[in-house]
Amino acid sequence: SQKIEQNSEALNIQEGKTATLTCNYTNYSPAYLQWYRQDPGRGPVFLLLIRENEKEKRKERLKVTFDTTLKQSLFHITASQPADSATYLCALDRGGGADGLTFGKGTHLIIQP
Amino acid sequence: KAGVTQTPRYLIKTRGQQVTLSCSPISGHRSVSWYQQTPGQGLQFLFEYFSETQRNKGNFPGRFSGRQFSNSRSEMNVSTLELGDSALYLCASSVSGETEAFFGQGTRLTVV
Repeated sequence: SQKIEQNSEALNIQEGKTATLTCNYTNYSPAYLQWYRQDPGRGPVFLLLIRENEKEKRKERLKVTFDTTLKQSLFHITASQPADSATYLCALDRGGGADGLTFGKGTHLIIQP
Repeated sequence: KAGVTQTPRYLIKTRGQQVTLSCSPISGHRSVSWYQQTPGQGLQFLFEYFSETQRNKGNFPGRFSGRQFSNSRSEMNVSTLELGDSALYLCASSVSGETEAFFGQGTRLTVV
């Protein structure tokens, strides 16, 4: 089965800097890779989706890269703000509606003012 | 546009009882997936329904079941509750199951 690794420890970043989060996976290459944000006591919120034939995707201050050779995705938040503090989840989809989304356990990001 | 609505938000049940959770997806979304979230295991896929048919199922015992109605609303049922079933149960809807998922706030189930 698919295994996903995200930094289990909290990531502390100073406000204004770029936060970079890592998602590594084993086994099959997913058709899609998605990033979600989750705040305490709330459901995950979709941020970005990147397909296996795409290298990079951007949305405002967010950027995602996808390297199928390294089996890795990087998630960047530029000009980080304290309001960006949350847990960020990486999720993989095999495609074809096969197994649902397989989630990593998330990285807790803390942006310090 | 209304989001995904899950009811109830909180639930306390006793071991051995059964429970039914409800999910109303975003209008127009035909795929509804259910996930269990615990601190130790993170988010785990339970099952997905599309047009009233269970299309995929995760690795959970048969005590966990679900269904989807013609209006895409979905219910999840857990029978013979165990203490380990205490978790946040999340429902997510999407247009087809192959695009971004929109999650509800979840139902916090506590089994005592």
